[in-house]
Amino acid sequence: TQLLEQSPQFLSIQEGENLTVYCNSSSVFSSLQWYRQEPGEGPVLLVTVVTGGEVKKLKRLTFQFGDARKDSSLHITAAQPGDTGLYLCAGESTGTASKLTFGTGTRLQVTL
Amino acid sequence: NAGVTQTPKFQVLKTGQSMTLQCAQDMNHNSMYWYRQDPGMGLRLIYYSASEGTTDKGEVPNGYNVSRLNKREFSLRLESAAPSQTSVYFCASRELGWYKGNTEAFFGQGTRLTVV
Repeated sequence: TQLLEQSPQFLSIQEGENLTVYCNSSSVFSSLQWYRQEPGEGPVLLVTVVTGGEVKKLKRLTFQFGDARKDSSLHITAAQPGDTGLYLCAGESTGTASKLTFGTGTRLQVTL
Repeated sequence: NAGVTQTPKFQVLKTGQSMTLQCAQDMNHNSMYWYRQDPGMGLRLIYYSASEGTTDKGEVPNGYNVSRLNKREFSLRLESAAPSQTSVYFCASRELGWYKGNTEAFFGQGTRLTVV
């Protein structure tokens, strides 16, 4: 059972478009991370959010943690081909600090 | 900087064979993880080890066993491989402590396993 559901599963857009990826759970997380994975590689951390309602920006990427700490979103402004990849959210459970659970993934393709 | 090293990178097994996937990290992290990733999907947690000497089941532990050999090494064993275990396996490590918040997980390059 995957505790973190991401939507959409696939997204194909053109350069310059905006998009939002969602990460939802029925569980509360002490913190949530977003990773990006390229083919043949392991995931690489983009950001960590720890406070309900927190918003973090990383250049054209905006991350938000839900007030109840059960969900998160990733918004990309003016997508570029270099944004292409698999985006994964990952949550650290409140009860088991060491357990890190990943979401189902969103595959993004940005074309010229 | 080696980071997290996994061996082997590729492996083909016949149904019923056994094998051990090796993972070692040189960052002195206390927590280590094994995930599997099926094509186009996210990562599913198989087992994790919060610290040396402890291991816990993740979401999909059936058919696997693990050993936290020391602080650096965390191995994953398939006792009797099945075609359903065909996947890419990732090992990860991160540092946890009472004074730290959620910390970055560092991943190996993955082991691509095919069971025929």
